[in-house]
Amino acid sequence: QKEVEQDPGPLSVPEGAIVSLNCTYSNSAFQYFMWYRQYSRKGPELLMYTYSSGNKEDGRFTAQVDKSSKYISLFIRDSQPSDSATYLCAMGSGGSNYKLTFGKGTLLTVNP
Amino acid sequence: SQTIHQWPATLVQPVGSPLSLECTVEGTSNPNLYWYRQAAGRGLQLLFYSVGIGQISSEVPQNLSASRPQDRQFILSSKKLLLSDSGFYLCAWRRPGESPLHFGNGTRLTVT
Repeated sequence: QKEVEQDPGPLSVPEGAIVSLNCTYSNSAFQYFMWYRQYSRKGPELLMYTYSSGNKEDGRFTAQVDKSSKYISLFIRDSQPSDSATYLCAMGSGGSNYKLTFGKGTLLTVNP
Repeated sequence: SQTIHQWPATLVQPVGSPLSLECTVEGTSNPNLYWYRQAAGRGLQLLFYSVGIGQISSEVPQNLSASRPQDRQFILSSKKLLLSDSGFYLCAWRRPGESPLHFGNGTRLTVT
């Protein structure tokens, strides 16, 4: 079983839709979680960082973490064509572990 | 604020030629530094990371090496490039501890 599973998509939605992106993980040592947005030919950009279970909101973006189910989500409200990108989840286990584990990314297209 | 610079943005090199990609971080001290390679459909592959000057950890044995000659400078090198070294190379930094990664804009390397 892979440590992190992320549906690669592609996911295509109309402008204004609510988008739900998800990752599941198997390593219960993961303690903190991130979502990145990556435009074509650019580096990943940090969108959300969260440490605890529950919801964290930032503008149109909401990150949700359920540690008991080993499941994280990113919701995008009122999606815009500029949201079209690849979204990567990432997680870390803390302590002396310097490495993060990434999902392979979900390609999202928002159609005007 | 912190910024990360990575150059060049694109590079075309013949097989057998040397490689040097440079990354510098501004606005922070003693960062953890990382080199990743991203191939289409294969996600982010961690190549090297460094927790201090001269301290390099290699994740994948291959044709590449890394060095950290200064606190905020990270260099990826090869003595002789292979076709299989083509890819999108990303430098990243993070504060020590349980903090997110911040990526540069990447170098697209094509080995011909």
